[in-house]
Amino acid sequence: GAVVSQHPSWVICKSGTSVKIECRSLDFQATTMFWYRQFPKQSLMLMATSNEGSKATYEQGVEKDKFLINHASLTLSTLTVTSAHPEDSSFYICSARSWGLSTEAFFGQGTRLTVV
Amino acid sequence: AQKVTQAQTEISVVEKEDVTLDCVYETRDTTYYLFWYKQPPSGELVFLIRRNSFDEQNEISGRYSWNFQKSTSSFNFTITASQVVDSAVYFCALSEAYYGGATNKLIFGTGTLLAVQP
Repeated sequence: GAVVSQHPSWVICKSGTSVKIECRSLDFQATTMFWYRQFPKQSLMLMATSNEGSKATYEQGVEKDKFLINHASLTLSTLTVTSAHPEDSSFYICSARSWGLSTEAFFGQGTRLTVV
Repeated sequence: AQKVTQAQTEISVVEKEDVTLDCVYETRDTTYYLFWYKQPPSGELVFLIRRNSFDEQNEISGRYSWNFQKSTSSFNFTITASQVVDSAVYFCALSEAYYGGATNKLIFGTGTLLAVQP
């Protein structure tokens, strides 16, 4: 299957700082990328959907000014958690889709963010 | 609205037992996709299967099998002769079909934690 690489795998940051998470499609062009958030022992909740070259569509309740999503190219999307707080500590995982591929959504390895 | 229900929060079995993970979904779409993913402790999501709404054939892949029944809106997953390595959280997910056949966002169930004891 297609490969989606997410970086970093884990990050610890101080409260008030910003953290950027990258999601790359390594061997296909991702026309759409999805960002999910997963709290411990809970399900994955979609945060936003981004199409290459356009603004992300955020799910209800997700602060767009806090979770900045950029999808400037067909192989890279970034999620920036601005002014992070301990309650932002979570597992963030991206997935990517391409029109030219089968209908699976391919997932990155996830990023475990801990804000101290 | 779309919804996926995995009523079993945790299941514990002894190695070599068969185990079935239940998944019930709700959707108004006539065309949709159903998925199962495995999430081991490391966190990555491992794709197991995709099934479209027009294909009700059951599928078997090694020790894994899936039973899709539109009449009951269920897509259950059975592991035969479970092994310790099967221990993980298993998610069922639903996606509407997009034009071109690609999937839209995934709606996940709450997951079932499977613990296989040696």
